[in-house]
Amino acid sequence: QVQLQESGPGLVKPSETLSLTCAVSGGSISSYHWSWIRQPPGKGLEWTGDIYYGGNTNYNPSLKSRLTISVDTSKNQFSLKLNSVTAADTAVYYCARYTDYWAFDSWGQGTLVTVSS
Amino acid sequence: QSALTQPASVSGSPGQSITISCIGTSSDVGSYNYVSWYQQHPGKAPKLMIYEVSNWPSGVSNRFSGSKSGNTASLTISGLQAEDEAEYYCSSYTSTSTPWVFGGGTKLTVL
Repeated sequence: QVQLQESGPGLVKPSETLSLTCAVSGGSISSYHWSWIRQPPGKGLEWTGDIYYGGNTNYNPSLKSRLTISVDTSKNQFSLKLNSVTAADTAVYYCARYTDYWAFDSWGQGTLVTVSS
Repeated sequence: QSALTQPASVSGSPGQSITISCIGTSSDVGSYNYVSWYQQHPGKAPKLMIYEVSNWPSGVSNRFSGSKSGNTASLTISGLQAEDEAEYYCSSYTSTSTPWVFGGGTKLTVL
């Protein structure tokens, strides 16, 4: 069974870049789509973007100018970079996989990123 | 404001059934059978409960069922149990510039 694990700094200063990595184990990243979904404290889920193992990406238009998602098939992981962050980017960030089920069937445990000086 | 509309809360007693609605538009729920439902307990990651409107992933109880009519999808939980108390989110594929949208979430309280 595939497992996902997010990693990265828990605190980022305003205007700086938020960088997270999702390590995939128990399966190959070289199939399916891989997404980042975030959840501000006490709020709902927001899809931020995804990447196919071949490198094709889709981004939430509200974040597109600041967001980059990349994949490293040699390390079986994918990454998120969000630049020029503000307090509004404070959230738990989840990495997730969606498959032929057209649903997010596997999730990481999530990592809280706080934007604060 | 979420793209899909869910009630903020629902409640029911053990053994009863409850239904959570998820109202979308002709650009998402109304056009695609790619509606999914997620259960989230406090401090935990969401868990897929229903995919493609009414299908169960392996390991999910058949007490959970999904349906769709027009622009509205629904999740029904029968035989409520204490462990069903959680937040539930619907999601749909969309034809807009944001391919995936979520509802605002519904808190289920088991009385």
